[in-house]
Order: sequence, then structure tokens, then C-alpha cells
Amino acid sequence: KAGVTQTPRYLIKTRGQQVTLSCSPISGHRSVSWYQQTPGQGLQFLFEYFSETQRNKGNFPGRFSGRQFSNSRSEMNVSTLELGDSALYLCASSQAIDDTDTQYFGPGTRLTVL
Amino acid sequence: AQKVTQAQTEISVVEKEDVTLDCVYETRDTTYYLFWYKQPPSGELVFLIRRNSFDEQNEISGRYSWNFQKSTSSFNFTITASQVVDSAVYFCALSEVKSGGSYIPTFGRGTSLIVHP
Repeated sequence: KAGVTQTPRYLIKTRGQQVTLSCSPISGHRSVSWYQQTPGQGLQFLFEYFSETQRNKGNFPGRFSGRQFSNSRSEMNVSTLELGDSALYLCASSQAIDDTDTQYFGPGTRLTVL
Repeated sequence: AQKVTQAQTEISVVEKEDVTLDCVYETRDTTYYLFWYKQPPSGELVFLIRRNSFDEQNEISGRYSWNFQKSTSSFNFTITASQVVDSAVYFCALSEVKSGGSYIPTFGRGTSLIVHP
């Protein structure tokens, strides 16, 4: 079974631009969560999508948004990029059947904002 | 608000030594989940364990063991006979209990474990 894949793996953008990151979950997984990891703030939960609906949201500004498609693939978008958005963005998928589910993480997308 | 503290920023040991990674948490919830994750240099987080706040039994999985003490709000992780492949950053996390396999984790800052040959 293929693991969680994220594209692109590396990205360089400039301030003010917008960016879209993609996450393909493990086949059969319906939940996709996104996390941001920075040296300053550490690992932080961004949001979770389940069956094309945002189920949970972390404490991030509205510039951060996401969506999930019918095949469970998810994208997250960051508009008006700031230097502080430079981070490793991780996505994780799970079957989301019950509380015994395990989240499987992708390798991440390294975003650099110049 | 929930908070997770991993006071050890970095631990350095020699192979075959035992090592314990500390995790202390704060929450007002009576039910919650605790997690440990491993992040090797490749960057991918690897799930190690999830513990429900109702289950205070210690757990052992091979060389890994976890000690959950609700009285001291701690969930410590011990690696026995450490190996070079254990070198990684380890994160402890806390999440409120939500239905349907849904989590909103709060992470600690991580402990970098370096195992020397």
C-alpha cells in the first residue's frame, strides 16, 4: 500500500505570493490533517478534513485554508505569504473509523518564503 | 488551555544505554489522549503510541516502554538498550477526545535524542 504523499517536496516563494500544497492520503483513508512545523513555534495543528468537510481547525489566520476532494486528496492554500510562513508542512491521513485509528504522516513540504 | 512540556531539549547517550524522555502535560479535560511520535532526520513523523486518560497501564513494546502517571500528569517514554537508529526527535502530544478518530493535538517542543555508537 502506498504511503501518504505530499507534493511538492520543496517550494520557494516570495512574500505576498500564494501557495498550494497537495496531500494524497493512503488509499481508503478518509481523514486528512495538516500541521505546520517551525523552529519558533514547533509543531502546530492547522486543520482536519473528513469527507470533504473541515472537521477541526487550529488557531491560524484565515490566510490558511484547505479543502478535500471526493477522492480524499487534500490541498492547503496559504495566501499573501509572510516570512513566518516558512515551515515544514506535514499532512497525515487516517481511516477515521474510531478512536483506535492511527495517523500516518507524509514526508512533508518544505516551504521557504523569501 | 492544553500544554505539553518536554523539558529535555537534547539527550546524548552511548549505544546500549537506557534513556528516558520526560513529558509533562496540563489540561482541564477529564478525558484526553496522549501520544508519542518519532521524527527521524527524514522529517516524517512516525506514530509510536496513543494512550487514553482512562488507561493508566504502563505499556511495553519491544525496547520501548511508556509510564503514564495521571497523579503527576506525566507520560514518560523509555528506550531500553538504545541503538543508533533511535536517533531522532521525539514529540509528546496531548489531544482532547473527539469522536470518530478525530484529534486536535497540542505538541511539546520535542526532545532530540542522539545515540552514539
